[in-house]
Amino acid sequence: DTAVSQTPKYLVTQMGNDKSIKCEQNLGHDTMYWYKQDSKKFLKIMFSYNNKELIINETVPNRFSPKSPDKAHLNLHINSLELGDSAVYFCASSQLTSGDTQYFGPGTRLTVL
Amino acid sequence: DQQVKQNSPSLSVQEGRISILNCDYTNSMFDYFLWYKKYPAEGPTFLISISSIKDKNEDGRFTVFLNKSAKHLSLHIVPSQPGDSAVYFCAAHSQGGSEKLVFGKGTKLTVNP
Repeated sequence: DTAVSQTPKYLVTQMGNDKSIKCEQNLGHDTMYWYKQDSKKFLKIMFSYNNKELIINETVPNRFSPKSPDKAHLNLHINSLELGDSAVYFCASSQLTSGDTQYFGPGTRLTVL
Repeated sequence: DQQVKQNSPSLSVQEGRISILNCDYTNSMFDYFLWYKKYPAEGPTFLISISSIKDKNEDGRFTVFLNKSAKHLSLHIVPSQPGDSAVYFCAAHSQGGSEKLVFGKGTKLTVNP
């Protein structure tokens, strides 16, 4: 059973398009996260949600909008895609908001042409 | 501003020998540290963690050492196995709040048979 799953695994799209990445966790965790791994390989947090409420927003352009329909899902919608958005996006979840192990999904490689 | 630094981008060791991966941090508010392992095209997986009230934590072949005064931690893998070949990320966290997990850039470990 996959604990944290993301779809799609690969996404290739043109500049200016709008796309979504879905994330689901079946661990019963209360907190979910989105991370971006850029070309320099840094893993940086973008957002975190606890029980469907936004708790961290790391100065991400407002073209990025997370949506949490329930605590098991955290989707990421990106408007007007730019070349610089090309990266690997990882979803993660944890039971607590701090001091707890985060479990990661397999990642979505987004390529903007 | 890199708060968590892994200064060695890569490390190569022989099977059966010890692998030592190093990590330095600058933020004295960090008091919980984790190591993640990442295979290509997969998400990071949790390996081992240590709280600042300890200076050592051991789990099978993996041991993490923490030197708070030097703001330094290390991961020891002994004996190293070819299946340990992966990218290892050091991460740091402030407990007690909703602070994010801050990752280092990773060290690629290659264990040669």
